[in-house]
Amino acid sequence: DAGVIQSPRHEVTEMGQEVTLRCKPISGHNSLFWYRQTMMRGLELLIYFNNNVPIDDSGMPEDRFSAKMPNASFSTLKIQPSEPRDSAVYFCASSLVGDTEAFFGQGTRLTVV
Amino acid sequence: LAKTTQPISMDSYEGQEVNITCSHNNIATNDYITWYQQFPSQGPRFIIQGYKTKVTNEVASLFIPADRKSSTLSLPRVSLSDTAVYYCLVGVLKAAGNKLTFGGGTRVLVKP
Repeated sequence: DAGVIQSPRHEVTEMGQEVTLRCKPISGHNSLFWYRQTMMRGLELLIYFNNNVPIDDSGMPEDRFSAKMPNASFSTLKIQPSEPRDSAVYFCASSLVGDTEAFFGQGTRLTVV
Repeated sequence: LAKTTQPISMDSYEGQEVNITCSHNNIATNDYITWYQQFPSQGPRFIIQGYKTKVTNEVASLFIPADRKSSTLSLPRVSLSDTAVYYCLVGVLKAAGNKLTFGGGTRVLVKP
């Protein structure tokens, strides 16, 4: 398996624009996690899904952030409108439900100018 | 979720053993202890997991005392490539899923 695949790897956008980050989990995994990492705040869990259903979105910072998982092989994290403080590395991870061994993607480095 | 406390950073030298202790005083009976490693510009990677006593794999050993209020990750004979941030997580293995929450981690710098 190619592992968790995230796209794009880098994204530079202007403040106010919509940003969509994409994730393809490992085939067969049924838990999916979205994280955000910054120097100041560390690695924050934004939301996680089990069997395509959002279980806990308490880490989503604002209504500007939304995440979907329309099927078992694809998830998106959308920021609309984007702000400079959203600049961070966003990671997607997947695992089997109930397992603490999660596999992370390479991340998307988002810069909002 | 049990709160975890780790040192912010540690320095070591190549060939030495590195021991990172994580405190989790309010660990629950059903909680497992999991450690992740994160290299610069990469996502975290699972290293090892345990419930009690000692667990060893090809990468590290995990020591858990009888009271389980702390755990120690041991990295034998580190090399420069072991420079990374190491995270301790405590939680329950649940059929309904796990909320994998990372704390601040310990930044380990291995020097030549």
